[in-house]
Amino acid sequence: AQSVSQHNHHVILSEAASLELGCNYSYGGTVNLFWYVQYPGQHLQLLLKYFSGDPLVKGIKGFEAEFIKSKFSFNLRKPSVQWSDTAEYFCAVNPGGYQKVTFGIGTKLQVIP
Amino acid sequence: GAGVSQSPSNKVTEKGKDVELRCDPISGHTALYWYRQRLGQGLEFLIYFQGNSAPDKSGLPSDRFSAERTGESVSTLTIQRTQQEDSAVYLCASSPGEAGRTGELFFGEGSRLTVL
Repeated sequence: AQSVSQHNHHVILSEAASLELGCNYSYGGTVNLFWYVQYPGQHLQLLLKYFSGDPLVKGIKGFEAEFIKSKFSFNLRKPSVQWSDTAEYFCAVNPGGYQKVTFGIGTKLQVIP
Repeated sequence: GAGVSQSPSNKVTEKGKDVELRCDPISGHTALYWYRQRLGQGLEFLIYFQGNSAPDKSGLPSDRFSAERTGESVSTLTIQRTQQEDSAVYLCASSPGEAGRTGELFFGEGSRLTVL
């Protein structure tokens, strides 16, 4: 069965710092990859997705993620975080051809003004 | 409606009682998922539906848990003889289910269950 590992459970950054959140998955076949975000008091929503093609994908609010197949990784990045990026971020994997979506444990990001 | 709707938003029950949680997906979404999120933990997959059928119910923790979906619409998650370890936020999500959008989930606000 597939699994998702997120290495950082709680990250604290100052505004304008760069962000990278790690995500590794275990599944040998074709996968679709996602980052979801949950802002305080709001429901989970899609931040960005990778299905195929360019392994560097861009999402909303300046976020991007890079799929490195050889490393089974899909790390999330943002060059300069803002206070409004304070949220919990979840990496998720969906094996190609299947509907099941498996989530990581989540990373809580706190951005200090 | 415009989004996924879940009810109740909060439920406090006594150990041993049965509870029923409801999810109204986005109209036209064929896939529907249930997840559980315990305090301080990630999203735990419970079950998903494609239409009315449940191809994968491997995440249901025990036979006290069951779920059904009528039409390609409302789903209910039923927990019988609730236990304290069932306390969690139960999240429902729907997905268009079409090729090229698999895994794009639209979540509801969740139902917070507290078992005393």
